[in-house]
Amino acid sequence: KAGVTQTPRYLIKTRGQQVTLSCSPISGHRSVSWYQQTPGQGLQFLFEYFSETQRNKGNFPGRFSGRQFSNSRSEMNVSTLELGDSALYLCASSLSGTGHGYTFGSGTRLTVV
Amino acid sequence: GIQVEQSPPDLILQEGANSTLRCNFSDSVNNLQWFHQNPWGQLINLFYIPSGTKQNGRLSATTVATERYSLLYISSSQTTDSGVYFCAVNYGGSQGNLIFGKGTKLSVKP
Repeated sequence: KAGVTQTPRYLIKTRGQQVTLSCSPISGHRSVSWYQQTPGQGLQFLFEYFSETQRNKGNFPGRFSGRQFSNSRSEMNVSTLELGDSALYLCASSLSGTGHGYTFGSGTRLTVV
Repeated sequence: GIQVEQSPPDLILQEGANSTLRCNFSDSVNNLQWFHQNPWGQLINLFYIPSGTKQNGRLSATTVATERYSLLYISSSQTTDSGVYFCAVNYGGSQGNLIFGKGTKLSVKP
């Protein structure tokens, strides 16, 4: 069975631009969560979606947003990019998000110049 | 909020050696997972282990939920075991929010 697919794998953007990242979860998984990984802060939770609804949100500014579609695919958007947004963005899928394990995608490495 | 501490932060082993990685957490959890992050950044799920013991080949894990710790054992280490090992927990009401430790960076030398 296919794993979690994230696109694109690599991205270079300029400060002030916006970016959209995509995540396709494992078939049948309804929970998708997003994480940001940086050398200084480690892995930090951005938000979680279940059945097209955001259930939980981490401590990030409003420039970071997301959505989930009816087929459980999810996108996250970062507007007005800053240099500090350079990071590895990982998404994870789970059957229900609680009481089940999470499977991560390969990530999108975003560089802001 | 819940705290997750991993030890040691760094570990250097000779190929063939055994090791134990530890994860302490500060409150009750309903999910605990161990991940291995490879050099390309992907987090590989090793164990989903909120309690008890599991084994998968050369790796095994034990979680003692009542004492709030988990251990990951790596036996007969290989160079391909190198990378960062993360423990992550999830607690009641925090759907999707895995709290990660800072990781143990393992280097296995040939």
